[in-house]
Formats: sequence, structure tokens, C-alpha cells
Amino acid sequence: EVQLVESGGGLVQPGGSLRLSCAASGFTFSDHYMDWVRQAPGEGLEWVGRTRKKANTYTTEYAASVKGRFTISGDDSKNSLYLQMNSLKTEDTAVYYCARVVVITNDALDIWGQGTMVTVSS
Amino acid sequence: DIQMTQSPSSVSASVGDRVTITCRASQGINSWLAWYQQKPGKAPKLLIYAASSLQSGVPSRFSGSGSGTDFTLTISSLQPEDFATYYCQQANSFPPTFGQGTKLEIK
Repeated sequence: EVQLVESGGGLVQPGGSLRLSCAASGFTFSDHYMDWVRQAPGEGLEWVGRTRKKANTYTTEYAASVKGRFTISGDDSKNSLYLQMNSLKTEDTAVYYCARVVVITNDALDIWGQGTMVTVSS
Repeated sequence: DIQMTQSPSSVSASVGDRVTITCRASQGINSWLAWYQQKPGKAPKLLIYAASSLQSGVPSRFSGSGSGTDFTLTISSLQPEDFATYYCQQANSFPPTFGQGTKLEIK
């Protein structure tokens, strides 16, 4: 079964750090672009960032709201994606989803994880 | 950034009704548009990609149309399981952006 499972969410103080994990199964994540998307409580969806592997090198792009604070990485041996979040702010409180990007569908997100909740609060 | 504006923000309808949701982009995005359905406490689910292509496994009562800046999602005959929030998303240029969502409620 093709699926994504996120983990690592929790409660963290403003200024703190947290690393989220996204484990892929049923497919090789490094063969795909992968996105992180977040959703603040009661709000809509916000794209956070993307990683893509080209010629054995991962490249990343980020939303302006997290650039310089968040870092996406991957571990091919574990078929897993990570989101390292530093200098967290209260406005980063959200459910974080990882999602698979399918290039041939004009970059639609066809597989989503169940999400992991991050709460930034003192 | 490209702004995506959905209308209406919420709509009430009955089982069997035909419903149309509109999504407008602040600049042309060709057909780089997807529609997602989200139920409370669940992850979004892809319904339509490339503006009008039905994702595998999605019922044929869902359809999408449009190109450029104006797009629509139509549900031809509402079923009880269709009451949810719907989002459009453009992927024509970075950063990908979502509409604010349309909540479809039971009348």
C-alpha cells in the first residue's frame, strides 16, 4: 500500500526546534518531488516547502514564511523525509502534512500523510 | 505570489443537488490547477488534477473545467459523503498556493 506516515509533532516553546519525519511506504520517495503543507487550527492549507532529487542531489524550495528557519532533507536508506523546524513562532502552530507530488499530473499532490500536530506555545 | 480566490466561501445544499465551486487565479496558470476535498480531522484528498482530469478512484459525479484564470469544480448529484471543505491549488509557479476553501454544508 502506498502511504505516508508523519511523526514528531508536539508542544514546543517559542524559539525552540522540532524535527518532523515522514516515512514513505509502497514507493521510493526519492523518485518523486515531496512537499510539506501545513494547516493552522481552523484555517486553510499553506504550502511550506518542496524537495526534489536531480542527479543524486536534493534541491529544496521554501515558502517565504519559513525560509531560513525550516530545512527539508531526506534519507534514502530509510525512505523518509524530514522537516527540521528552528526558531519556531506561535504562528507555526499547525498540522503538518507531507505529500507526494506527481509531475505528470501538473504537480498535483496525490498521496498525503495523516498529519502531525505542532503547537508552539509558552 | 499567485492568489487563488474561491467562491462561495460556504454553500448549503441538499443530497441530489448540483453544486459548482469557482476558483479564480490572480494571473494565468494554464491548466496547472488541482482540487482537493478535506473532511474534518482528515488529510486532503486529490479529486481533480490538470484542471479537468479525474483522479483514479474518484466518483465521476466530480468534474473540473477551466483554463487560464477561471476554474470550476462541479458535483453533479451530491451524496452524503460529499459534505466537506474543498480547496483549489495552483502549481504553475512557485510558491504553490491554495484557495481559502469552500465549505459545503447540508441544507
